[in-house]
Amino acid sequence: EPEVTQTPSHQVTQMGQEVILRCVPISNHLYFYWYRQILGQKVEFLVSFYNNEISEKSEIFDDQFSVERPDGSNFTLKIRSTKLEDSAMYFCASRLDISQPQHFGDGTRLSIL
Amino acid sequence: GIQVEQSPPDLILQEGANSTLRCNFSDSVNNLQWFHQNPWGQLINLFYIPSGTKQNGRLSATTVATERYSLLYISSSQTTDSGVYFCAALDRGSTLGRLYFGRGTQLTVWP
Repeated sequence: EPEVTQTPSHQVTQMGQEVILRCVPISNHLYFYWYRQILGQKVEFLVSFYNNEISEKSEIFDDQFSVERPDGSNFTLKIRSTKLEDSAMYFCASRLDISQPQHFGDGTRLSIL
Repeated sequence: GIQVEQSPPDLILQEGANSTLRCNFSDSVNNLQWFHQNPWGQLINLFYIPSGTKQNGRLSATTVATERYSLLYISSSQTTDSGVYFCAALDRGSTLGRLYFGRGTQLTVWP
């Protein structure tokens, strides 16, 4: 069964550094998402992306965050200047269309020191 | 956005027992998914069930959309069922697919 692939599985970064989290969604899917989960808390929506543009973003997704689909297969989340509170598990998800479920990757655990 | 409430927050079972996890949502939904988060943090898709009943082995789920709840049944539980179970709902009015997650049910199954 095709799956969403995320790399790296774990990223450790110094506060203030830029970090890029990478995702390869399922190949024929059209809608792409990033979510995050702070340790011990629920999963929270960050941003959705459709037709090469952001379609919705949450209040968490401020100017420090950006997303890109640079080459038709990868979907990236960039955090420009990381803060301690950015430490979390970041999940990428994709789906084929509105009537289908979202498929999640295994996540990238981001640790900010 | 919609509110998603899960109960109970914690559940401890002996291996072999059955359990029911509940998910209530505050508004009409057109997508309801159940996930199992394993100890490594992976979110495993269990069911996509906007309405009706589905079964997969020892697990089954029922969503009654008109009454705004969904139930996940685990029968003959095993230690590998331990982890956090999340439900997530998509607002019926949304065309873009933002999922709202509940806070989860932490299930511990003892041998």
